[in-house]
Parts: sequence; structure tokens; C-alpha cells
Amino acid sequence: EVVMTQSPATLSVSPGERATVSCRASQSVSSSLAWYQQKPGQAPRLLIYGASTRATGIPARFSGSGSGTEFTLTISSLQSEDFAVYYCHQYSNWPLTFGGGTKVEIK
Amino acid sequence: EVQLLESGGGLVQPGGSLRLSCAASGFTFSSYAMAWVRQAPGKGLEWVSATTTSGGSTFYADSVKGRFTISRDNSKNTLYLQMNSLRDEDTAVYYCAKRISSSGGSFDYWGQGTLVTVSS
Repeated sequence: EVVMTQSPATLSVSPGERATVSCRASQSVSSSLAWYQQKPGQAPRLLIYGASTRATGIPARFSGSGSGTEFTLTISSLQSEDFAVYYCHQYSNWPLTFGGGTKVEIK
Repeated sequence: EVQLLESGGGLVQPGGSLRLSCAASGFTFSSYAMAWVRQAPGKGLEWVSATTTSGGSTFYADSVKGRFTISRDNSKNTLYLQMNSLRDEDTAVYYCAKRISSSGGSFDYWGQGTLVTVSS
């Protein structure tokens, strides 16, 4: 099983600042990596797939990078609606696995 | 507009069974792989099961293998999850998710989820 490790678990950021979330895979997943945003009481929303491709309707302030085992989600200038939990997800190998999540909270 | 509407959740005793359904609309259901993902209260996301476009191939997390069965009826645009021998640790919100392509990939659309509570 590919273990996905996210860091940090919690990130405190002021509105307008940059936020960076890291995700490490226990073995290479190539570029088969997605990022999701989840707000309380809501279903997850796809932000990034293929490690760096923004999903339909996702603002340009969200960007993804990396390949192999090291990945990064960057939010260039945090807006109030961006405070949420973010998950990485690998779909290269069975079983499909998710990172434990990173909560981005208001500083 | 893509819509996924889950139903069938509820309270069930340990050892019991439930069948979840996911009614899909707004896309050509038979052209996309589909999956179930769950989230225990206050916890992260856990993939449960997936199926190919025809339903001919199915995949399961070890935690549910032998107890859960995923299936689909492309004539009814509906995905199912038959859950047997339920355990306390199966308590979660279960999401139906559409995969981004016929061959798999990420989950580009999710339903709102249905809560399954396993408790005596």
C-alpha cells in the first residue's frame, strides 16, 4: 500500500498570505496525484489532478507541483473561502489512498 | 450538471446489512469508472471500493473485502454498495464519486454522502 503523508497537520495563515501543503508518497506514484478541498459538512471538491492540472472552475491561486514521491499544493494568496481541510490522493496503485489531511486555519 | 445522489444509509446493528445506492445524472454514466469513499466522524477520507465502466472489474480496500460488494446498473444510471457483516468501524459518511475518466484517475465529482451508523 502506498502511504501518503501530509505536512503540516495544521497550518495557520493570515488572509492574503501564501499557504504551502506538502504530501509525500511512500513509493513513486508518478504524476497520479490529486488534491481535494473539504469544508465542514460538505463533500470534498477536486482542486488538482495529474499533480499540477487545475480542475474545472478552480481559481488560478491554487497550484500543484511535484512528481514521483514529493508533491506540493500552493495557495498563492489565501481568501476567506480557502480555509478548509486539504487532502492529497494517489491513484497510481491499488489500493487508492489519501493523505491524512491538512487543516488550513485563520491565523 | 453532474449530480450524484446517495441513499440507503441509516442505523444498523453490528452484523447487519445495508445497501447504498447512488443515482447519477448529468453525464454518460456508462462511460465512467465509479467508486465509493467513506469518512468516519472527525476523520479523513478512506477509499472503499471502485468499479470499471461495465462493472466487470471491481476493487476493494482490505478493510471491506469479502463483506462489501460494489455493482452498477448502467441502464438505471445507478451505482450500488452492498454492505454485509457490518462492524462498528464501518460507521461513516459514504460518498459516491465519479472518476475523471473511463480508465480511472481522480474523483472529479462527489455526492453529498449518506451516513451509515453501526451500533447496538
